[in-house]
Amino acid sequence: KAGVTQTPRYLIKTRGQQVTLSCSPISGHRSVSWYQQTPGQGLQFLFEYFSETQRNKGNFPGRFSGRQFSNSRSEMNVSTLELGDSALYLCASSLAGVSTNTGELFFGEGSRLTVL
Amino acid sequence: DAKTTQPNSMESNEEEPVHLPCNHSTISGTDYIHWYRQLPSQGPEYVIHGLTSNVNNRMASLAIAEDRKSSTLILHRATLRDAAVYYCIPIRTGDKVIFGPGTSLSVIP
Repeated sequence: KAGVTQTPRYLIKTRGQQVTLSCSPISGHRSVSWYQQTPGQGLQFLFEYFSETQRNKGNFPGRFSGRQFSNSRSEMNVSTLELGDSALYLCASSLAGVSTNTGELFFGEGSRLTVL
Repeated sequence: DAKTTQPNSMESNEEEPVHLPCNHSTISGTDYIHWYRQLPSQGPEYVIHGLTSNVNNRMASLAIAEDRKSSTLILHRATLRDAAVYYCIPIRTGDKVIFGPGTSLSVIP
């Protein structure tokens, strides 16, 4: 079956702009979680959506937001971009979500954002 | 959140077994221990998970200490494709997933 699809794979923005990233989960999966990966901070949890509701949130400023649609596809948005937002943004899908600790997460290949 | 400690890096010869340790002394009784790995330029991939008893699958084995304060991921015969960063993650129901720095495994031909 098709894996997790993230678009776009690469993008370049300038400071102050905003960006929207998309994640299409595996068919039948209702949970999508988002992560930021940087060389300095490693992999950090941003938030998780399950059946269109945010179920958990990491320690990121309000400039980072997300949503999930009825077909389980998810988007995350970063407003007023800063240089430090340059990172690989990964999403993962699962059947029951990260909050069900027996579940397996399936990750996409990520969207690499560069902020100039 | 349960804190984890893993070696920063390890080396293994190809076709030899590899034992990747993880200390999670603050784990709670209902936290499952998950292992993921991230190959270069890819997203993380699931390896294995367990609660109390040892677990085996086609990729690896997971040995969990009786007191659950530590676990060891065992790759029975390392291949070059196993070179990756390995993350040990205790996951609690209702909680977020915390990735530590992980262990960078190098496999020497």
